[in-house]
Amino acid sequence: AQSVSQHNHHVILSEAASLELGCNYSYGGTVNLFWYVQYPGQHLQLLLKYFSGDPLVKGIKGFEAEFIKSKFSFNLRKPSVQWSDTAEYFCAVKSASGGSYIPTFGRGTSLIVHP
Amino acid sequence: DTEVTQTPKHLVMGMTNKKSLKCEQHMGHRAMYWYKQKAKKPPELMFVYSYEKLSINESVPSRFSPECPNSSLLNLHLHALQPEDSALYLCASSQDELRDTQYFGPGTRLTVL
Repeated sequence: AQSVSQHNHHVILSEAASLELGCNYSYGGTVNLFWYVQYPGQHLQLLLKYFSGDPLVKGIKGFEAEFIKSKFSFNLRKPSVQWSDTAEYFCAVKSASGGSYIPTFGRGTSLIVHP
Repeated sequence: DTEVTQTPKHLVMGMTNKKSLKCEQHMGHRAMYWYKQKAKKPPELMFVYSYEKLSINESVPSRFSPECPNSSLLNLHLHALQPEDSALYLCASSQDELRDTQYFGPGTRLTVL
């Protein structure tokens, strides 16, 4: 079964600092990769996704992620965070299993940005 | 319209009650999902419906019973729940099951007394 690891469980940054959140998955077959964000009191929403093509994907609000197949990784980056980026970030992987695509979420990273 | 709606927003029920959660989307999506999310934890997949047929059941106890009456609606029927079932129940939909992005609803906050 697929597993998704997010190494940073809690991250605290000051505004303008750079951000990198790690995400690794275990299954080596065809996968589709996602980063979702959950702002305080709001529902989960998509930041960015990778299906195929250019392994460097750009998402909303200045976020980007790089798919490195050899490392089974899909790390999220932002050059300069803002206070409004305070949220919970989830890496998710959809991988094939018996004809279905099972979505699996990492445990999440809580990001706090101080003004 | 990229919205998934869920009702009710909050639900408190006793262990002997029967209640239902409702989810609706009008994006023409053919895959719909139920997740359970505990505080500070990731969403845990419960069920997936694809083209109105149950595609995935992640070994969920029978006290949770999903239903997909049509392509826009997804229900979760609850009966004889336990206090440990208290959680945020999220509904999501995607264009199809295979690869597409999921759009999430705001969830129903369920408390079982």
